[in-house]
Amino acid sequence: DVKVTQSSRYLVKRTGEKVFLECVQDMDHENMFWYRQDPGLGLRLIYFSYDVKMKEKGDIPEGYSVSREKKERFSLILESASTNQTSMYLCASSLSNWGFSGANVLTFGAGSRLTVL
Amino acid sequence: SQQGEEDPQALSIQEGENATMNCSYKTSINNLQWYRQNSGRGLVHLILIRSNEREKHSGRLRVTLDTSKKSSSLLITASRAADTASYFCATDAGYGNKLVFGAGTILRVKS
Repeated sequence: DVKVTQSSRYLVKRTGEKVFLECVQDMDHENMFWYRQDPGLGLRLIYFSYDVKMKEKGDIPEGYSVSREKKERFSLILESASTNQTSMYLCASSLSNWGFSGANVLTFGAGSRLTVL
Repeated sequence: SQQGEEDPQALSIQEGENATMNCSYKTSINNLQWYRQNSGRGLVHLILIRSNEREKHSGRLRVTLDTSKKSSSLLITASRAADTASYFCATDAGYGNKLVFGAGTILRVKS
């Protein structure tokens, strides 16, 4: 019954490596999001996408990029990983909420815990 | 930018007691949502309350919203050990398809 799947639960990478975090949803949702979660800071939005090939910067996009070539897949890319990118990364998706009757309820994946050494 | 701020940061209660968590936010919202996160897992949506609603119930959960004070509370009645988790409020300003989350309240229910 898994609806949002993140490809890796745990990753360990070295400084300077390129890192790909993959996320796939099977609910035909238009919107997809990448958050990072750090103790005491809650969830901070990195990037989101409301359609294929569309992307919008969130609150902390620096050091990250994203790709959405297909509706169901949203990838987060760390071009050159740094130790301050050690974190829990959460992918989520939602239906579009255009219009007053809509509500942006998120379905999350299980998370990917990245450690950069 | 962090919109919602939960209070308290941590809460420890005995099984059977009620747990109350509060959330304050800064700007006008379309709706406010509460999510739960079990340790090391993703978040799960619990309940949504719209800006024109004052109270909402779902099972043992009761959520209130006071837009004049820009605050919300989540009450879990008759708590169980399985309710041990982190709880987050998230605000939806109704544009841009973005939710903004607070830092969360860690709830521990002791059996």
